[in-house]
Amino acid sequence: KNQVEQSPQSLIILEGKNCTLQCNYTVSPFSNLRWYKQDTGRGPVSLTIMTFSENTKSNGRYTATLDADTKQSSLHITASQLSDSASYICVVSSPTDSWGKFQFGAGTQVVVTP
Amino acid sequence: NAGVTQTPKFRILKIGQSMTLQCTQDMNHNYMYWYRQDPGMGLKLIYYSVGAGITDKGEVPNGYNVSRSTTEDFPLRLELAAPSQTSVYFCASSYLGQGSYEQYFGPGTRLTVT
Repeated sequence: KNQVEQSPQSLIILEGKNCTLQCNYTVSPFSNLRWYKQDTGRGPVSLTIMTFSENTKSNGRYTATLDADTKQSSLHITASQLSDSASYICVVSSPTDSWGKFQFGAGTQVVVTP
Repeated sequence: NAGVTQTPKFRILKIGQSMTLQCTQDMNHNYMYWYRQDPGMGLKLIYYSVGAGITDKGEVPNGYNVSRSTTEDFPLRLELAAPSQTSVYFCASSYLGQGSYEQYFGPGTRLTVT
């Protein structure tokens, strides 16, 4: 069973609107949580990295929140642009995993329409 | 600054053929990783390396081999290609494997086995 679950699988939003993506994880113990943006045909690119002591972190129009108690994170995109069309991947790492240092969610596919 | 480069970008193999996917990073990173990404699934770790001469299996190593003779290069070898190895392969690197160190990804190699 995947230890990182993302929702929704996909969503379509109008340019200029906001949206929020969800990430629930069961990875324990927890080291940090990352959000990546993956454009079609490209490798993932890091947006934010949060440790368990951080509740929120922003990168431009992207704001990630983390609740380590409930093991939930969200990524909020403000005033979406066409260039935000991409897959957004939640990645959780644990200090105890040998090979599973990074557990990847399946991603949320975001399509921004004019 | 090239970052992580991968070759080739695309490849079609016949069942039973072999090939090597190349990966090079110019950031002097200790850790390097090979992932595969299947549609609708999170990235799965194939092999990783913590430094030159040291490699270890990830979650899905069967059918693959790696070597790490230098800090910069981390080739992935596919022996006796099978249709189940049709996927997009990403190489990544990071300075360390834990903490809040960024993980940088290459552009990917799209492999089809027919």
